[in-house]
Amino acid sequence: QSVLTQPPSVSAAPGQKVTISCSGSDSNIENNVVSWYQQFPGAAPKLLIHDNNERPSGIPARFSGSKSGTSATLAITGLQTGDEATYYCGSWDSSLNAGVFGGGTKVTVL
Amino acid sequence: VQVLQSGAEVRRPGTTVKMSCKVSGYRFKDFYMHWMRQAPGKGLEWMGIIDPERDETTYAGQFRGRITITADSSTNSIFMGLDSLTSDDTAVYYCGVVPSASSERFGDHWGQGALVTVSS
Repeated sequence: QSVLTQPPSVSAAPGQKVTISCSGSDSNIENNVVSWYQQFPGAAPKLLIHDNNERPSGIPARFSGSKSGTSATLAITGLQTGDEATYYCGSWDSSLNAGVFGGGTKVTVL
Repeated sequence: VQVLQSGAEVRRPGTTVKMSCKVSGYRFKDFYMHWMRQAPGKGLEWMGIIDPERDETTYAGQFRGRITITADSSTNSIFMGLDSLTSDDTAVYYCGVVPSASSERFGDHWGQGALVTVSS
């Protein structure tokens, strides 16, 4: 069982918007920053969002992050077939003194 | 920035594996390194972090006692060893490099991953 909870899958048509939720607690998301990663099969994860809502250089503005209380959300607008991947949220857990991840959400473009 | 990770390994149960990640483009005092793993078909699991400059480590509870992360400033490399291997340790292992002021994210730059297979 992952410490952070994500839906296993989400889907939408090209051009539409998807949101991926990441639920945690006061020991992780509420009091620490959240980051998001994109992973294609057979490849290493790639940083998409850090510090809750900051995009690294080169990440399109179609990807955005937000946080409220013990939950965080990744939004992908203008969905493209190339966005089909698994997305993970991550945060630090102050009680565990450890990094924690969600179980991953597979995005399917219909 | 480049992160060059060592290659795939095959080990017998009960043995040790040691893998490395060599970092170029960051000075030793300017980065932290996380280690994660991913079992076949599963999600990411955090294992530990090292501050190479201070040689300080934090390990996930489930690995404490059998994981060791060390740093070699002469080669800008980080090593991760895992003892007492079982078949449950079969996974792809990743290193993730972050700026030292940003230890709460897990990788601005990632190694390519290394498959460790534990089998008798």
